Amino acid sequence: NAGVTQTPKFQVLKTGQSMTLQCAQDMNHNSMYWYRQDPGMGLRLIYYSASEGTTDKGEVPNGYNVSRLNKREFSLRLESAAPSQTSVYFCASKVAGLPYEQYFGPGTRLTVT
Amino acid sequence: AQTVTQSQPEMSVQEAETVTLSCTYDTSESNYYLFWYKQPPSRQMILVIRQEAYKQQNATENRFSVNFQKAAKSFSLKISDSQLGDTAMYFCAFRQTGANNLFFGTGTRLTVIP
Repeated sequence: NAGVTQTPKFQVLKTGQSMTLQCAQDMNHNSMYWYRQDPGMGLRLIYYSASEGTTDKGEVPNGYNVSRLNKREFSLRLESAAPSQTSVYFCASKVAGLPYEQYFGPGTRLTVT
Repeated sequence: AQTVTQSQPEMSVQEAETVTLSCTYDTSESNYYLFWYKQPPSRQMILVIRQEAYKQQNATENRFSVNFQKAAKSFSLKISDSQLGDTAMYFCAFRQTGANNLFFGTGTRLTVIP
């Protein structure tokens, strides 16, 4: 049981390049989330998927797109990377309903130069 | 929007001593959940403890306990018998009942000194 996995762990992009961050969970969770963590700040929600087939914007969605490929996988895409998107990205998942907590992946450190 | 404030950017504690981390939040809702997450140098976010706002009893998990003051909108974390492995960033987080978004504070960096 691997929990929440993310690939890659590190990535360096040039401004304007695109890439997709992958996330998968093996806990049969319904809900999945993408957060970003910037220095001196807590995590902020980018997008979430409450269930397979649905996605919704979070607090900071601009510049990102997501795909809920199936129940296990939720990807985050940067179409044209900008230096402001340099951050650590976390994926999380949760069983639907309350009060279950979110389980986090190990994070992806992305640098855009 | 809900806000979560952690006013102590850094703290330190001697091994085996007790330390309390502060958190306040702002909401007009009456039903919600509060969490403390630990983020060690590995970056992994690990849930430490959870409190449901409708419960008056403070949550406890082994050496970790909270002091939940609903009227004051305060949610502090007490770590007893501090261990070297407790060295980490600690984040307080808030989630409104029925909502998907977790709102995080800016974190407190805790160092346990041998």
